[in-house]
Amino acid sequence: KAGVTQTPRYLIKTRGQQVTLSCSPISGHRSVSWYQQTPGQGLQFLFEYFSETQRNKGNFPGRFSGRQFSNSRSEMNVSTLELGDSALYLCASSFGMGAVGNIQYFGAGTRLSVL
Amino acid sequence: AQTVTQSQPEMSVQEAETVTLSCTYDTSESDYYLFWYKQPPSRQMILVIRQEAYKQQNATENRFSVNFQKAAKSFSLKISDSQLGDAAMYFCAYLTSYDKVIFGPGTSLSVIP
Repeated sequence: KAGVTQTPRYLIKTRGQQVTLSCSPISGHRSVSWYQQTPGQGLQFLFEYFSETQRNKGNFPGRFSGRQFSNSRSEMNVSTLELGDSALYLCASSFGMGAVGNIQYFGAGTRLSVL
Repeated sequence: AQTVTQSQPEMSVQEAETVTLSCTYDTSESDYYLFWYKQPPSRQMILVIRQEAYKQQNATENRFSVNFQKAAKSFSLKISDSQLGDAAMYFCAYLTSYDKVIFGPGTSLSVIP
């Protein structure tokens, strides 16, 4: 079974631009969660999508948005990029229900650098 | 709201020795699930071990075991016979009743040859 795939692996943008990150979950998984990881803040939860609906949301500004498609693939969008958005963005997929179902499988991440 | 605390930002252990990573959490729920995740330098996060709160028996996976103290809200990870490949960031995580996973700040483990 293929793992969680995140594209692109690396991205360089400038302030004010927008960016879209993609995540393909493990086949059969219906839940996709996004996290921002920085050395100072650690792993911070962005949002979770389950069956195309946002089920949980972290404390991030509205510049961060996401969506999930019918095939469970998810995209995360960040508009009007700021220097502080430079981070590793991790995507995790899970079946989505119950303890075993919520074991999260992570992708390798997208390293975003904002210049 | 639930919180997860890992009080040791960094730890080190000699190869073949045993190390224990600490995790405490705060919750008012009675039934929940706890996880330890490992993130090696390659950045791919993987599940190490999980514990169901209603089970009193501590979970074990090969060299990894937990000491789950529900009353104290403590969930420590013990790594026995440490190997160089165990060097990584370790995250303690809590699964809430509404299916949200909350991660602790992580502990960076170094293994000294």
